[in-house]
Amino acid sequence: NAGVMQNPRHLVRRRGQEARLRCSPMKGHSHVYWYRQLPEEGLKFMVYLQKENIIDESGMPKERFSAEFPKEGPSILRIQQVVRGDSAAYFCASSPGLAADTQYFGPGTRLTVL
Amino acid sequence: DAKTTQPPSMDCAEGRAANLPCNHSTISGNEYVYWYRQIHSQGPQYIIHGLKNNETNEMASLIITEDRKSSTLILPHATLRDTAVYYCIVRAGGSQGNLIFGKGTKLSVKP
Repeated sequence: NAGVMQNPRHLVRRRGQEARLRCSPMKGHSHVYWYRQLPEEGLKFMVYLQKENIIDESGMPKERFSAEFPKEGPSILRIQQVVRGDSAAYFCASSPGLAADTQYFGPGTRLTVL
Repeated sequence: DAKTTQPPSMDCAEGRAANLPCNHSTISGNEYVYWYRQIHSQGPQYIIHGLKNNETNEMASLIITEDRKSSTLILPHATLRDTAVYYCIVRAGGSQGNLIFGKGTKLSVKP
């Protein structure tokens, strides 16, 4: 049973470019969460999605960041016009939903903005 | 979700038990205690969780005090690969919301 998959594992972008991070949840999981970890800091929640719905985006920066979890395919975290401060590790977690709510994390995508 | 307090760092000798404490004095009756760890810069790894009874799985044991204001994660025979940051998180049962990570405890297992 494959775990949470994220790709790419490493992503390098120049300032002003777009970054797209993908997350495939564990089989049978319909809830996805995105977290960001800045260098030498703890993980911070960004957004929580279910299929085709954003449930909580209270941790998302107001501009340039968006997330989706379509009916088919992986969840996407999109960062437009990246800046150096976006350099971080982005982790995705998934959970089955309802009472079984333990979140399982993927290996992360390390974004470097030059 | 209730706040947790953990020591910033701990050392443990290889092969010995590692006992990691966590205080959560404002925990509510329906809140669970979760433990995760992050090895170097990998994704956080779920370890164990419990409500009020002690729990054990293949990775660790979780001891929760009777008043539920504190808990201890026990790694019975620590290895060098257990060196990581360990996070204690309190979260309402059935909650689908986000996890709130504090600074955790940096456990260093030494040979």
